This record gives sequence, structure tokens and C-alpha cells, in this order.
Amino acid sequence: GAVVSQHPSRVICKSGTSVKIECRSLDFQATTMFWYRQFPKQSLMLMATSNEGSKATYEQGVEKDKFLINHASLTLSTLTVTSAHPEDSSFYICSASPGTGGARAYGYTFGSGTRLTVV
Amino acid sequence: KNQVEQSPQSLIILEGKNCTLQCNYTVSPFSNLRWYKQDTGRGPVSLTIMTFSENTKSNGRYTATLDADTKQSSLHITASQLSDSASYICVVSGPTGGQNFVFGPGTRLSVLP
Repeated sequence: GAVVSQHPSRVICKSGTSVKIECRSLDFQATTMFWYRQFPKQSLMLMATSNEGSKATYEQGVEKDKFLINHASLTLSTLTVTSAHPEDSSFYICSASPGTGGARAYGYTFGSGTRLTVV
Repeated sequence: KNQVEQSPQSLIILEGKNCTLQCNYTVSPFSNLRWYKQDTGRGPVSLTIMTFSENTKSNGRYTATLDADTKQSSLHITASQLSDSASYICVVSGPTGGQNFVFGPGTRLSVLP
């Protein structure tokens, strides 16, 4: 079945530094990937839609200059948290799906998540 | 407004018992409904997916039902195990999938020995 790999699973960084999180589709190509943020005991919140070869689409309230998304290939999307601050500490999850045509927009398989702690 | 509600918010049961989680939604247009299991500190894992025409779908000890007329779904867990302790999230999507996912708040299930 479809597998989405996310790396790293945990990262601790100092305030002011940047952190890159990778999301890979291991056995399929993903034109579209999705990035979510999840706070403790809350549900996932869509941050942005990553489109291969073009700019990401950000949800309202998400700073595009703070959360840089690059989707340079059909199997890899990266989320870079720039100039991280303690309030950026959260659980970040990506999702993607195989499919053709309109199904490429689906994001039903989730990565294992990345726990970011900014100190 | 597209919304997904889940009940109960949390549930504690003893190992071996059965339980049923509820999901009500107002998402329209509707494409499909998925139940996910999310262990603490992990990404959600899909349990079942149902389209408009499907009434029930099973995956091992998990059985999901869907009533598209009343816009209600349930997830029944049979003979619960300690490893079933997790959050169970109901996700309803429109035709374009991820861009139209509406997440429920989840039900936190704790299975005690």
C-alpha cells in the first residue's frame, strides 16, 4: 500500500534557527502533498498544500515566509520552519496519496509526524 | 458550514469490552468518510473508508457504519485490546480530497487492563 515517510521524527532546535522536515512518498508519485500542524489534544490543522513544480497554497493565517514549502520532485516535499520560536513547537504531519487525475489531489496517507521543540 | 462532530470526547473501557464511537457531519458535497487511528506522537493511520453508497465496512475488529441520509457514522471496536488506546478521528472529504478534508476533534479511547 501507499507509504509516506517523514523525517526526522523528533527535532530540538534553538530559537532563531531553521529546521527542515522531509516528507517522501516511498512507493508512489505524489503531485500534491499536504502539511498539517497539530497541537496537544487537538485535531490536525491544514497549513498548506504542496504542489509539485509550483508554489504551495497556504491556508489563511499561515505565514508563507515562516513556513517554506518546496516540492521539487514527485516524491519529496519539504517544510522549513524559519527563524523558529518556542511558539512554533508543535507536531507537524504531512499526507499524500497515489492516484490519477483528480485523485492526485487526495491526501489520505499520513506520515508518522515530526515533533518539533524550539528551546 | 462544513463540520464534523464526534462523541464521546473521551472513553475508558476495560480490555475485552466492545465500544462504539460516533461521528456526525454536515460536509457537502460529500465524497467519502474515513476513520483514522492516531497513536500518541504518531501520524493517523487509516482504518476504513466509505463512500456515499456504502453502509458498512470492516477491518478486523473495527467495523464502521455510514448513514448518508442522516449524515452519521459509527466505529465499533470489538473485543478491545490495550493497543486500541489511541485517538480515533473521523475525516469527511469533498470531491478534491485533501484540500477539502474536514477533521473531527477525535475521540480519545483508553483501554485498561
